[in-house]
Amino acid sequence: EADIYQTPRYLVIGTGKKITLECSQTMGHDKMYWYQQDPGMELHLIHYSYGVNSTEKGDLSSESTVSRIRTEHFPLTLESARPSHTSQYLCATMNRGDGYTFGSGTRLTVV
Amino acid sequence: GESVGLHLPTLSVQEGDNSIINCAYSNSASDYFIWYKQESGKGPQFIIDIRSNMDKRQGQRVTVLLNKTVKHLSLQIAATQPGDSAVYFCAENIRSAGNKLTFGGGTRVLVKP
Repeated sequence: EADIYQTPRYLVIGTGKKITLECSQTMGHDKMYWYQQDPGMELHLIHYSYGVNSTEKGDLSSESTVSRIRTEHFPLTLESARPSHTSQYLCATMNRGDGYTFGSGTRLTVV
Repeated sequence: GESVGLHLPTLSVQEGDNSIINCAYSNSASDYFIWYKQESGKGPQFIIDIRSNMDKRQGQRVTVLLNKTVKHLSLQIAATQPGDSAVYFCAENIRSAGNKLTFGGGTRVLVKP
């Protein structure tokens, strides 16, 4: 059973809207990550966090922002959604073995 | 720049045959490698990992081989089943880069009945 949860699974939203993608984990892991993935393509790191009050930008430039107020939550926010933001967003935590556990992802469509 | 890449974008395999998926990496500082399986509409799922001090690691029906000389990683799936149809990604962890996994492009495996 997955211990990392992403909501919503699917989201269709109009251009200009503000949205927040939720990511929660129950494993107590400090390191968390957000990846962006187009269908069938590789994953690109957009944000990561090493713990509470720690946030860093990833390798792929993104107009989104993140926060880490609590260990369990790592939400991602888009202040003004655009069609170019249409993609799948995957949240992950790093376990003690250096590997990741992924959530099921949020598939975002901006119309 | 540093990269992890896969040689074949799509692999068609007959049910019951063995599958081999290849991956090349360029950063000799990488010390941990993982194979992930991603089914349609789901997040990547851990399959097997290997550390740089090993050449081979076996799991249930899967084997990962690491050749550090040529910076090559492979995933072998024995007796491929329809449930193995998915996109497979290799990833490397470079601890000096802050414990961030770098993913290569995926290989789609299609299992024919």
